[in-house]
Amino acid sequence: AQTVTQSQPEMSVQEAETVTLSCTYDTSESDYYLFWYKQPPSRQMILVIRQEAYKQQNATENRFSVNFQKAAKSFSLKISDSQLGDAAMYFCAYEGANFGNEKLTFGTGTRLTIIP
Amino acid sequence: GAVVSQHPSRVICKSGTSVKIECRSLDFQATTMFWYRQFPKQSLMLMATSNEGSKATYEQGVEKDKFLINHASLTLSTLTVTSAHPEDSSFYICSASWAYYLEAFFGQGTRLTVV
Repeated sequence: AQTVTQSQPEMSVQEAETVTLSCTYDTSESDYYLFWYKQPPSRQMILVIRQEAYKQQNATENRFSVNFQKAAKSFSLKISDSQLGDAAMYFCAYEGANFGNEKLTFGTGTRLTIIP
Repeated sequence: GAVVSQHPSRVICKSGTSVKIECRSLDFQATTMFWYRQFPKQSLMLMATSNEGSKATYEQGVEKDKFLINHASLTLSTLTVTSAHPEDSSFYICSASWAYYLEAFFGQGTRLTVV
């Protein structure tokens, strides 16, 4: 079974600064997808960024980028120019690429606080 | 992105009664829907996976007779919590996916309180 580990229960960052959230995972599959989701106080899950394991290039979405290290099974999220609206719970998630195995396995989450 | 609507957003029910939660994909046909449970300040735990027209697949430890899941159409899945108890109080979230999408889309969640 796949597992996802987020070792930072809480993180804080000064507004406009950069913060990196850590995530490691364990799997025996060679092809899979990785995601970072944001859950603000409304509790709506919002996709931040995704990475296909077969792609070597790290995914980037505006201020959000990942550092995907497949051999190390590491998938960290970097948030640049942090904004107050970035405050939320962040969950790292794994999804198998094989048909019929599309369920998401989530990490325990990191609560990100933005300091004005 | 695609829209998934979950209803109701909040529900309070008496112990021993049943409550139904609906999850609808509004602008796409969801071949698979997932139901999660989230306790306060914890992660999302997958309860079951449902495919249209077939029985749901439940995760280990989830009582299928207590949490009835029906996926009768490509746009609607329902979760019925039967004979609810206070310990069933939680936040329930659905998500829906389609074979050609790389991501699942989440509903707004339902806060269930059993009194």
